Amino acid sequence: DTGVSQDPRHKITKRGQNVTFRCDPISEHNRLYWYRQTLGQGPEFLTYFQNEAQLEKSRLLSDRFSAERPKGSFSTLEIQRTEQGDSAMYLCASSLSTGVQPQHFGDGTRLSIL
Amino acid sequence: GESVGLHLPTLSVQEGDNSIINCAYSNSASDYFIWYKQESGKGPQFIIDIRSNMDKRQGQRVTVLLNKTVKHLSLQIAATQPGDSAVYFCAEMDNYGQNFVFGPGTRLSVLP
Repeated sequence: DTGVSQDPRHKITKRGQNVTFRCDPISEHNRLYWYRQTLGQGPEFLTYFQNEAQLEKSRLLSDRFSAERPKGSFSTLEIQRTEQGDSAMYLCASSLSTGVQPQHFGDGTRLSIL
Repeated sequence: GESVGLHLPTLSVQEGDNSIINCAYSNSASDYFIWYKQESGKGPQFIIDIRSNMDKRQGQRVTVLLNKTVKHLSLQIAATQPGDSAVYFCAEMDNYGQNFVFGPGTRLSVLP
């Protein structure tokens, strides 16, 4: 399977702990996106990278959130000092950057904060 | 601001019937739209896209219609099957042409 891969699929942690998620995009895609999705809602944009450069961040991305894509391939999303409101599905997507392109999503990491 | 919404949160159809899922958008400057299908526990799956210079595009069993005059998008699924049961999202390319704004979704239930 050469689609977008996310790890872990599920994460349960106590409030106040730090968590890190990983995304491996489709190999030839140089754009990578992070979204958050809560139950019954559509995905909400968090941030995106073109190669290793983080080009845009949503207001939803508080200072407890940080994303990296050090070599322009896989990306990590870290949440520090997790809060109850961080419970959600975190989705990663990737796309080509030539013109407008559809984004292809992974199956997400479901985060539950106890 | 820009927003994407759906007229109906749930839609139930008989197996074999055609389904129509509607979407309204507010950003008249958007020029690229996508329909995604999301099954339980999975990420959104690309179904079909359309540029604003078109008003209709067809795929396998699916058709997307775009009416720019009233800022309306629809997804038609022909001969709906049980495997079509899912939540469907329309997504609109944002002003900067970099990421998508998603609506809340419509749940499609296919009745036997």
